[in-house]
Amino acid sequence: NAGVMQNPRHLVRRRGQEARLRCSPMKGHSHVYWYRQLPEEGLKFMVYLQKENIIDESGMPKERFSAEFPKEGPSILRIQQVVRGDSAAYFCASSPEYRGPPHFGAGTRLSVL
Amino acid sequence: QQQVKQSPQSLIVQKGGIPIINCAYENTAFDYFPWYQQFPGKGPALLIAIRPDVSEKKEGRFTISFNKSAKQFSLHIMDSQPGDSATYFCAARPSGNTPLVFGKGTRLSVIA
Repeated sequence: NAGVMQNPRHLVRRRGQEARLRCSPMKGHSHVYWYRQLPEEGLKFMVYLQKENIIDESGMPKERFSAEFPKEGPSILRIQQVVRGDSAAYFCASSPEYRGPPHFGAGTRLSVL
Repeated sequence: QQQVKQSPQSLIVQKGGIPIINCAYENTAFDYFPWYQQFPGKGPALLIAIRPDVSEKKEGRFTISFNKSAKQFSLHIMDSQPGDSATYFCAARPSGNTPLVFGKGTRLSVIA
């Protein structure tokens, strides 16, 4: 049973470009969470999605960031017009039901030049 | 703001020692307290978890102690090994439709 798959593992973008981060949850998991981790910092919740629905986006910046989890395919975290402050590790986690413990992917490390 | 406060920020112990990492929370509605272990360049991995109706849980060399009245919980690692060197995160789950809230992490180094 494959774990949570994130790609790409590393992503380099120049300021102003768009970044798309993908997350395929574990088989049978319908709940997806995105977290951001800055160096020497903890994990900051960004958004919680179920298939085709955003359940909680209270941790998501109001501008430039969006997330989706379509009926078919992976969940996507999209960052438009990236700035240097967006450089961080972005982790996706999935769980089989809302109250199940989330399992994390290996993360995407975004570097903005 | 629902928060979990974790200490210490970093910890160095000798091999065989018992590192203890502490977490405190404010929200009495939290009902699930997991610990995650993260190695450099990897994602966090679920290590052990406890619910507030239990005061202690052991899995192998890892033990969670939970003090509901003090709103504190801690992770103990028995007979620590250099391979335990990692960053450890405590977390708590509020009741209702809100995901896990994480502490800021403790960087543990176990030296031979």
